Amino acid sequence: KAGVTQTPRYLIKTRGQQVTLSCSPISGHRSVSWYQQTPGQGLQFLFEYFSETQRNKGNFPGRFSGRQFSNSRSEMNVSTLELGDSALYLCASSIQESYNEQFFGPGTRLTVL
Amino acid sequence: LAKTTQPISMDSYEGQEVNITCSHNNIATNDYITWYQQFPSQGPRFIIQGYKTKVTNEVASLFIPADRKSSTLSLPRVSLSDTAVYYCLVGDVGGNKLVFGAGTILRVKS
Repeated sequence: KAGVTQTPRYLIKTRGQQVTLSCSPISGHRSVSWYQQTPGQGLQFLFEYFSETQRNKGNFPGRFSGRQFSNSRSEMNVSTLELGDSALYLCASSIQESYNEQFFGPGTRLTVL
Repeated sequence: LAKTTQPISMDSYEGQEVNITCSHNNIATNDYITWYQQFPSQGPRFIIQGYKTKVTNEVASLFIPADRKSSTLSLPRVSLSDTAVYYCLVGDVGGNKLVFGAGTILRVKS
């Protein structure tokens, strides 16, 4: 069974631009969560989607948004990029909505110049 | 969500057993304890999850005392490839919002 895939793997943007990251969960998994990882703040939860609905949201500004499609694939968008948005963005999927094992993708490394 | 406290780093040698303890004094009744492992530039990988007493799988054991205010991840006979960051997480059923602490950097030496 294929794992969680994320595209693109690397991205370079400039301040003020916007970016869209994509995540394809493991087949059959309905929950997709997004995390941001930086050296200073560590791993931080962004949001979780289940059956196309946002179920949980972390403490991030409204510039960070996401959505989930009917096939469980998910995208996250960051608008008006800031230098501090440079990070590894990780997507994780799990079978259902309960607190189960999450499977993480390799991440998208975003660099904002 | 209960806050967790772990040692910042630990050193070990190949072949030794490593025990990493996590403190979670404010754990709630519905909370489970989960450990993840992360290698550089990779996403975390689930190791083990438990609620009480002892859980064992093919890679690790998790010991949880009766008061559940702490837990210990035990890695038997570590190898160089076990060098990674280990995260202890506490959370309740009903959501996939994982709260990661700083983690423990485990360095295994030859």
